Amino acid sequence: KAGVTQTPRYLIKTRGQQVTLSCSPISGHRSVSWYQQTPGQGLQFLFEYFSETQRNKGNFPGRFSGRQFSNSRSEMNVSTLELGDSALYLCASARGTDTQYFGPGTRLTVL
Amino acid sequence: KNEVEQSPQNLTAQEGEFITINCSYSVGISALHWLQQHPGGGIVSLFMLSSGKKKHGRLIATINIQEKHSSLHITASHPRDSAVYICAVSPGGATNKLIFGTGTLLAVQP
Repeated sequence: KAGVTQTPRYLIKTRGQQVTLSCSPISGHRSVSWYQQTPGQGLQFLFEYFSETQRNKGNFPGRFSGRQFSNSRSEMNVSTLELGDSALYLCASARGTDTQYFGPGTRLTVL
Repeated sequence: KNEVEQSPQNLTAQEGEFITINCSYSVGISALHWLQQHPGGGIVSLFMLSSGKKKHGRLIATINIQEKHSSLHITASHPRDSAVYICAVSPGGATNKLIFGTGTLLAVQP
């Protein structure tokens, strides 16, 4: 069974640009959660989608948004990038409310 | 004060030693998770527990709901156990949201 995949794995952007990250969950998993990991703040919850609906949202500005498609694949978008958005972005999938399986992450660098 | 506290932050052990990592939380939870992160970023879920004790190989996780405390034990530690161990809690309700501790960096020396 294929694991959670994230694309791209690495990304370099400049301030003010926008970026879209993609996450393909394990087949049969309907929940996709997104997390941001930085050296200063550690791991923080961004949002969770379940069956195309946002089920929960973390404390991030509106520049961070996401969506989930009918095949459970999810995208997150960050608009007007800031230097502080440089981070490892992880997604995790789950069947329901249970063990989460993490993807390898997308490392975003904002210059 | 963080909602999830871990100790110690750093731990160095000799191969074969018994290791304990502690986690305390201050919020209501539906489950507690122990995660492992190796250099490079990949995170693996080790345990998800809501009561009692779970064992997988050389790893044991326990939780005391009344005391809001969990421990992760590694028996007969090995250099391949070197990683960051992260405690996270699900705050309840129909959500997979996780609140994370700051992690424990474990180095097991041969």
